[in-house]
Amino acid sequence: GNSVTQMEGPVTLSEEAFLTINCTYTATGYPSLFWYVQYPGEGLQLLLKATKADDKGSNKGFEATYRKETTSFHLEKGSVQVSDSAVYFCALRAGAGSYQLTFGKGTKLSVIP
Amino acid sequence: EPEVTQTPSHQVTQMGQEVILRCVPISNHLYFYWYRQILGQKVEFLVSFYNNEISEKSEIFDDQFSVERPDGSNFTLKIRSTKLEDSAMYFCASSEETRSYTFGSGTRLTVV
Repeated sequence: GNSVTQMEGPVTLSEEAFLTINCTYTATGYPSLFWYVQYPGEGLQLLLKATKADDKGSNKGFEATYRKETTSFHLEKGSVQVSDSAVYFCALRAGAGSYQLTFGKGTKLSVIP
Repeated sequence: EPEVTQTPSHQVTQMGQEVILRCVPISNHLYFYWYRQILGQKVEFLVSFYNNEISEKSEIFDDQFSVERPDGSNFTLKIRSTKLEDSAMYFCASSEETRSYTFGSGTRLTVV
């Protein structure tokens, strides 16, 4: 079946540090890949997505590249801010005919001044 | 920006009681979903709904669960006889098509 594995948290970084949150997946076919973010007290918000191999999704300084050869979709940001403190979820949608998202467990990021 | 609204934000119920979680999807969206997240665990898909019927459901979505779009604006999840293990955060989502969802803020259900 489909699955998503992301690095365990929590992750604590100082402001302006470089962020990487690893995500690998197992899926049949050609999944679409997503990163969602959940700020305290809020719902899941789409951060970025990529729908085919070698696509790079980007938003708000975050980037992730769809790597089919390593089945990975690692999230990166060059310089984190305190306002980036949240829980980050990697997810996949398996492909045509399937509506559901399969999520990783989430990684809590805390950025300290 | 349009939002998916979920009510209540927190519900406490006795084991064995029926509970209805409510969601107001974005008005022009056609696809509706429920997910749940047990504390410390993954966000799990429960069910998707399109054209007034269930289009996909997971193994979790057994006979104790049902969904309904009673009036063209609300989308509800009913749990007939709650169990302790139903305690979780329940997220509603909607989408125009199947690619990008908008999620609500969730309802935290506590079964005691």
